[in-house]
Formats: sequence, C-alpha cells, structure tokens
Amino acid sequence: NAGVTQTPKFQVLKTGQSMTLQCAQDMNHNSMYWYRQDPGMGLRLIYYSASEGTTDKGEVPNGYNVSRLNKREFSLRLESAAPSQTSVYFCASSRDGPNYGYTFGSGTRLTVV
Amino acid sequence: GENVEQHPSTLSVQEGDSAVIKCTYSDSASNYFPWYKQELGKRPQLIIDIRSNVGEKKDQRIAVTLNKTAKHFSLHITETQPEDSAVYFCAASIVSDMRFGAGTRLTVKP
Repeated sequence: NAGVTQTPKFQVLKTGQSMTLQCAQDMNHNSMYWYRQDPGMGLRLIYYSASEGTTDKGEVPNGYNVSRLNKREFSLRLESAAPSQTSVYFCASSRDGPNYGYTFGSGTRLTVV
Repeated sequence: GENVEQHPSTLSVQEGDSAVIKCTYSDSASNYFPWYKQELGKRPQLIIDIRSNVGEKKDQRIAVTLNKTAKHFSLHITETQPEDSAVYFCAASIVSDMRFGAGTRLTVKP
C-alpha cells in the first residue's frame, strides 16, 4: 500500500518549457488535489477533482491544466513554465471531498530558471 | 471563500512544556477542521481533526478545541519532545473547499 505516489521528486525547467507532474493513489479515494507550497504562504489549491471525470479550479489555477485520467491518477501540466511557478507541488487525495483527511504525496520540487 | 489565519508563525518551547497554536476562520459554514504536521523536507501528515459538532478531541499528547461561536480552533501539545519540532498547519473546510493556514514553525529545545 504505497498511498499517494508523485513523480518526479525534483525538476529544473527553463522558462517556456512544458512538463507534466504525475500522481497516483492506491487507496480507492474519490477526490484528488494539486497544491503548491511557497514559503510563508501555506498550501494553496491549484486544481481538484472531486470524483473521476470531474475537475475544478482552485485558488491559483492560472498557468496550469489537469487531467483526471482514471480514479487512481491525476496529472498536473505546466504548458509554458514561468519563474513564478518555482515551488514545491503536492498531490493529495481524500475519501470523498474536503471534509475528510488528506493523504499527501512526497512532493515535487520544481525550479524554473 | 474561506479565509484561515494562524498564529503564531513561529513558536519556541523547552522540552516538556506545552505548545498552543491558534487559528481563526471566516466562513461560519465550515464544518471540518484538520491539523497537519510537516517535518523538514517531508510531506504534510494529518495528526488530528475535529468536526463542528464536537468541542474538543484528544489523542495522547495532542488535543484540538473548537469554538464555533468565535470561529476559532486551537491545537494543544503537552509534554513537548524534540520530535514535535515541525511546521503545523491548520485548515478549515466546507463542502467544496478546504483552506490552510500559513503554518506555525514549532521548535522544541532539548
């Protein structure tokens, strides 16, 4: 039982490059989330998927897209990376929406130069 | 949307002392209040949570209290140990949204 698995753990991009962050959970959770964590700003929601087949914008969605590939997998794509997207990204899942505890992945440290 | 404020931003205590972290929320419809602990370089992990129909919950050395009227909730850690050193995040959620506080860096000095 791996919980929530994120790849890659580290990535350096040049401005304008694109990349996809992968996330998979094996807990049969319905809901999945992508957060970014910046110093002094806590965790801010980028996008979420309440259930398979649905996605919605969070607090800071600009510059990102997501795909809920199936119940297990939820990917985050940066189409044209900018230095402001330098951050630590966490994927999380919960049984059924934000009224249940989240299980987080180990995070991706992204640097855009 | 919901707004969560967390205080203090840093807290330093001696081993064995108690630590208290406080959060306030803005949306009276919020009904679930989890706390997460994040050790340096690690993922946030759920340590305790409370729902709006409960005023207090305890799990060994940690406890959470909720005052719905005042819209604030607190994390209490007793008999602190060096391994309690971490960043603690509070959060508040309604049906479709969870918002996190900015975090409290707790340092327990041996």
